[in-house]
Amino acid sequence: DIQMTQSPSSLSAVVGDRVTITCRASQPVSTYLSWYQQRPGRAPNLLIFSASKLQSGVPSRFSGRGSGTEFTLTIASLQPEDFATYYCQQSFGLPHNFGQGTKLEI
Amino acid sequence: QVQLVQSGAEVKKPGSSVKVSCKASGATFNNHAISWVRQAPGQGLEWMGRIIPLLNTTKYAQNLQDRVTITADKSTTTAYMELSSLKSDDTAVYYCARTVRGVLPDYYMDVWGEGTTVTVSS
Repeated sequence: DIQMTQSPSSLSAVVGDRVTITCRASQPVSTYLSWYQQRPGRAPNLLIFSASKLQSGVPSRFSGRGSGTEFTLTIASLQPEDFATYYCQQSFGLPHNFGQGTKLEI
Repeated sequence: QVQLVQSGAEVKKPGSSVKVSCKASGATFNNHAISWVRQAPGQGLEWMGRIIPLLNTTKYAQNLQDRVTITADKSTTTAYMELSSLKSDDTAVYYCARTVRGVLPDYYMDVWGEGTTVTVSS
């Protein structure tokens, strides 16, 4: 199985900050990588697919980069609604494992 | 607007089975896969498996393969996830999600159901 490791596990920030979350794969996954945001009590929401493609309707302050084993999700200027938990997921090999999540807190 | 509508919360005894449904639009069934993801209380997301309804092909997470069955009824455009031999560790919110096959070809989940809470307790 391909293991996905996110860092940090939690992150404190303030509105307006630029934040970056890292996701590392235990073996190369090309750009078969997506990012999801999950607010408490809600279903996850797709932000980025194919490592860097912004999902329709997602604000442009979100961006994704990377290929192979190292990926990043950057939020350019944090807004109040961005405080949530973020997950990466690979779809290169089965099972399509998620990272453990990064909780972004005020 | 694309929606996935899931069945209601369930309370089950250890050793029993649960079957969760996910009603989708016809277009979703014809053009996409449906994945199932679960989330135990306070924990992260776990991919369980997926089905391509048009082809009726399935893939499962190996650690659940002996206990999970994902099916699709094309006549009602409803997907199902059945989990057997339930244990307390199976207590979780179960989500279905429309799964798009991208050009790479990668897979990503762009529309999610609201989740179904399954509680396993004696």
